[in-house]
Amino acid sequence: DIQMTQSPSTLSASVGDRVTITCRASQGISSWLAWYQQKPGKAPKVLIYRASRLESGVPSRFSGSGSGTEFTLTVSSLQPEDFATYYCQQYNSYPWTFGQGTKVEIK
Amino acid sequence: QVQLVESGGGLVKPGGSLRLSCAASGFNFTDYYLSWIRQAPGKGLEWVSYISGSTSYTKYADSVKGRFTISRDNAKKSLYLQMSSLRVEDTALYYCARDRNDGIVGRYFDYWGQGTPVTVSS
Repeated sequence: DIQMTQSPSTLSASVGDRVTITCRASQGISSWLAWYQQKPGKAPKVLIYRASRLESGVPSRFSGSGSGTEFTLTVSSLQPEDFATYYCQQYNSYPWTFGQGTKVEIK
Repeated sequence: QVQLVESGGGLVKPGGSLRLSCAASGFNFTDYYLSWIRQAPGKGLEWVSYISGSTSYTKYADSVKGRFTISRDNAKKSLYLQMSSLRVEDTALYYCARDRNDGIVGRYFDYWGQGTPVTVSS
């Protein structure tokens, strides 16, 4: 199975900050990576697919980059509604696997 | 709009069985693969199983293979997960999700239900 490792596990930031989350795959996955946002008590919501493509309706302050084994999710200017937990997911090969999550907290 | 509504969760003893359901609306049901994904309390996400749209091809995570069975009723626009030989470690919130094709094999999840909780405890 492909292991996905996110860093950091927790990130403290302020409104307006630029934040970056990293996701590393245990083997190359080309660009077959998605990012999700999950708020407490809610289902995950997809933000980015194919590493860098913005899902319809997602604000442009979210962006993704990377290929192979290293990927990043960037929020250019953190908004109050962005405090949540973020997960990456690889869909290069079965079983689809997720990172352990990065919680973005208010500083 | 796309809606996925899970039901059927509850408290069950180890070794017991449970059947989850997911009612879908707002999209052409047979066009899409569907998955079950679970989240243990305070933990991350784990893909459990998927089923194809019309041919009902299925695949399972090793952790549930031989114990869980995914199925769908296209006429009722419903997805199911029959869970048997349940273990304490199967305790989780179970989501149904719509798969979105991307690439030759890959799929990610573009719509999720709100989840149904399963607790396995004596």
